[in-house]
Amino acid sequence: GAVVSQHPSRVICKSGTSVKIECRSLDFQATTMFWYRQFPKQSLMLMATSNEGSKATYEQGVEKDKFLINHASLTLSTLTVTSAHPEDSSFYICSARGYPGPGNYGYTFGSGTRLTVV
Amino acid sequence: KQEVTQIPAALSVPEGENLVLNCSFTDSAIYNLQWFRQDPGKGLTSLLLIQSSQREQTSGRLNASLDKSSGRSTLYIAASQPGDSATYLCAVEETSGSRLTFGEGTQLTVNP
Repeated sequence: GAVVSQHPSRVICKSGTSVKIECRSLDFQATTMFWYRQFPKQSLMLMATSNEGSKATYEQGVEKDKFLINHASLTLSTLTVTSAHPEDSSFYICSARGYPGPGNYGYTFGSGTRLTVV
Repeated sequence: KQEVTQIPAALSVPEGENLVLNCSFTDSAIYNLQWFRQDPGKGLTSLLLIQSSQREQTSGRLNASLDKSSGRSTLYIAASQPGDSATYLCAVEETSGSRLTFGEGTQLTVNP
């Protein structure tokens, strides 16, 4: 089945530094990648949608200059949290919808990244 | 704006019970509905996907039904096991390739 590999699974960084999270589609082309954020005991909150080769579309309230998304290829999308602060600590998950891969079978999610900013 | 609600928020059952998780959505014009499982600190695992033209899907001990006109879906788990303990999320896709709208999830605990 379709697999999305997300790295790192856990990262601890100092306040003010930047962190990059990668998501790779391993056996299909991810034309669209979704980035979510999840707080403890809450559901997923969509942050942005990225299409390969174009700028990401951010949800209302999400700072595009803080959460930089790059989707330069059909198999790789990255989320960079710039100048991270403790309030950015959260669980970040990517999701891919590809063609002709899992497009007819729904979405495939990465395993998530637990970011802790100290 | 589509809203997805899941009931109950939490459920604790003894091993072996059959159980039903409920999902409702406000706008019946959906493309498909997907059920996911999430273990603590992990990503989402897709369980079942029901296209808007379908009424149900089955996989092993899991059966998901969809009544689009009434905006409801149920996930039936037969003969529950402790390994089924997780949070179950339903999500609707309104048009092909659009964002998913998630419910808040049902946290299931199956006690040995």
